[in-house]
Amino acid sequence: ETGVTQTPRHLVMGMTNKKSLKCEQHLGHNAMYWYKQSAKKPLELMFVYSLEERVENNSVPSRFSPECPNSSHLFLHLHTLQPEDSALYLCASSRTQGQPQHFGDGTRLSIL
Amino acid sequence: GEDVEQSLFLSVREGDSSVINCTYTDSSSTYLYWYKQEPGAGLQLLTYIFSNMDMKQDQRLTVLLNKKDKHLSLRIADTQTGDSAIYFCAEKVREIPTFGRGTSLIVHP
Repeated sequence: ETGVTQTPRHLVMGMTNKKSLKCEQHLGHNAMYWYKQSAKKPLELMFVYSLEERVENNSVPSRFSPECPNSSHLFLHLHTLQPEDSALYLCASSRTQGQPQHFGDGTRLSIL
Repeated sequence: GEDVEQSLFLSVREGDSSVINCTYTDSSSTYLYWYKQEPGAGLQLLTYIFSNMDMKQDQRLTVLLNKKDKHLSLRIADTQTGDSAIYFCAEKVREIPTFGRGTSLIVHP
């Protein structure tokens, strides 16, 4: 039990599809994060939410759209993705921004 | 160069000690972390050290921090096959963690 749950674990989609990744934590944490993990690259921070407000957006293309409806849930809405977007997408949470993070097991995304 | 650098691979024999090294660039780092990632899973926080400490020990894990050289290491004593994983070093600067590329630790009998 990691405390951070991501669904789905695997997703295959075409470039014209629209899908969403979901992340849920019941640790009482106030900060949540989306990361992209690609082979042979450092972990890339995409978005940071603190107390349900977006505080960081690291030049992520607009085809990725995050949503944080409450402190326990985080979504990443996907549309018109490119093959280079295939990667493992990891969600994490922390008590407050900058504190040690707890990660989910990720969603393995493949773009056809 | 990258903000946090690690060697990509380390191979050790079961029972030996493993030492994974990391260098970072920002002297204003307040925390430095070690995470472990097993196949098919997310990152698991192993341990962390405040920048005003130079050593932290937690069972088989020993973290050493050399602030002058901006060098962090993780020593795993009596390495077991279950320790085979990717180990990530990360620094926290201005509330944002920055990760290295990870070191793949391979433990062989």
